[in-house]
Order: sequence, then C-alpha cells, then structure tokens
Amino acid sequence: AQKITQTQPGMFVQEKEAVTLDCTYDTSDQSYGLFWYKQPSSGEMIFLIYQGSYDEQNATEGRYSLNFQKARKSANLVISASQLGDSAMYFCAMREAQGGSEKLVFGKGMKLTVNP
Amino acid sequence: DSGVTQTPKHLITATGQRVTLRCSPRSGDLSVYWYQQSLDQGLQFLIQYYNGEERAKGNILERFSAQQFPDLHSELNLSSLELGDSALYFCASSERQGFTETQYFGPGTRLLVL
Repeated sequence: AQKITQTQPGMFVQEKEAVTLDCTYDTSDQSYGLFWYKQPSSGEMIFLIYQGSYDEQNATEGRYSLNFQKARKSANLVISASQLGDSAMYFCAMREAQGGSEKLVFGKGMKLTVNP
Repeated sequence: DSGVTQTPKHLITATGQRVTLRCSPRSGDLSVYWYQQSLDQGLQFLIQYYNGEERAKGNILERFSAQQFPDLHSELNLSSLELGDSALYFCASSERQGFTETQYFGPGTRLLVL
C-alpha cells in the first residue's frame, strides 16, 4: 500500500514567491519521522528538513518549514521566497519506528520549477 | 556536500557482467543504506548495514549483494546484470539507528547496462 502520496506531479512558481508542496502519509505507528529531500538535475539527494511525530512545533530550517498536521496525516513543505536554485525534484519520505526496518519510504516526488 | 562519498560516479557495462559500487559513509556514521532509483520504480530501499552487520533487507534481488567492512565503508555488488538494472544507486548513512535519524545521501552511482 502506498505510504507516501505526493499528488502534484509538477508546480511552477515565480521567483520570490512562497510555494507549498503537498505530502500525505499513511501509518499505524505512533512514532515515525518525516523527511523532505531535494534532488536537483545533477542527481544528488539533499536533506532539507525533518519532523518527528511527537514534535509539538512545526519544523523550520531557513527558508524551509514543514506544515505538519498529524490528524490529517499531512506534512507539507513550505518554501518561502523561492529562488531559481530551488528548481528541482522534491521527495517526501517517512521512517517508521516499528518493524525493525530502518528504511525510508519515499513518495514519487514532484517537480518544482521557479521562474524568473 | 553531505560527506558521503560514492565511486564510481558513472558506470557503463554490458548485460551479464558484474560490477561493484563503493560507498564511504560520513565520519562517525555507523549505519549505511543502499537505495535504487529508477524511472519505473522510483526510490527503493535495498539493504541496510549497521556497524558491519546486515540490519534490514528491502527489494534487493538475489543477484545483488552487499557488505560493510570494519572501516565502515560498504560495497554493493551487482551480478548477471540486466538492462532493467540501469538506475541511479544511492548510498546513505546515519550516525545511529532509529526513526529520528536523518539519512545523508551520497551523490549516487549512475549505472547503465547496455
């Protein structure tokens, strides 16, 4: 079953505007971690931000913030003041505490294009 | 730069061949993970090692194997290669285990099987 859903295949945003990238997840665990990664055209996977299931505050890292709505099982990434260099694929991922596996489960990703 | 290194960056080989991908984790990281990214399957977890021991297996084919050495670097061996094995292979590392631990990814090895 799909555990991470990113329904937006692609988005366009103007430079300096804010943009929200959607992510919903499915888990029966009470303890889990949610991660966002950026993959530019060069291919590397860059860690952006982490949100723990027990964290009371929404995570923030510079221009990145995570709109975490636990009851709705959503963990949307907000990028403020978009820059041309933000153009990339963005992946939402989840890590569950149970089951003995440490793997990250990724969504299909979405492509963000920032226009000048 | 995540601190995770992978070699080679690119690899072109023929069907039926065997290749070895190498990964050096960040200094101090004990856990190493291998992922495969392909157009049709997306990002898939292959296998995890922690301090030299296999910890978890994902969608790893029997033709594939991995190990983590005492110096904590890891190698992923792919044998009897098929066209469908063409993909971007990532290594990631984290300091410890646990769902709160961030995995930092290397630049990947792009494998093309002809």
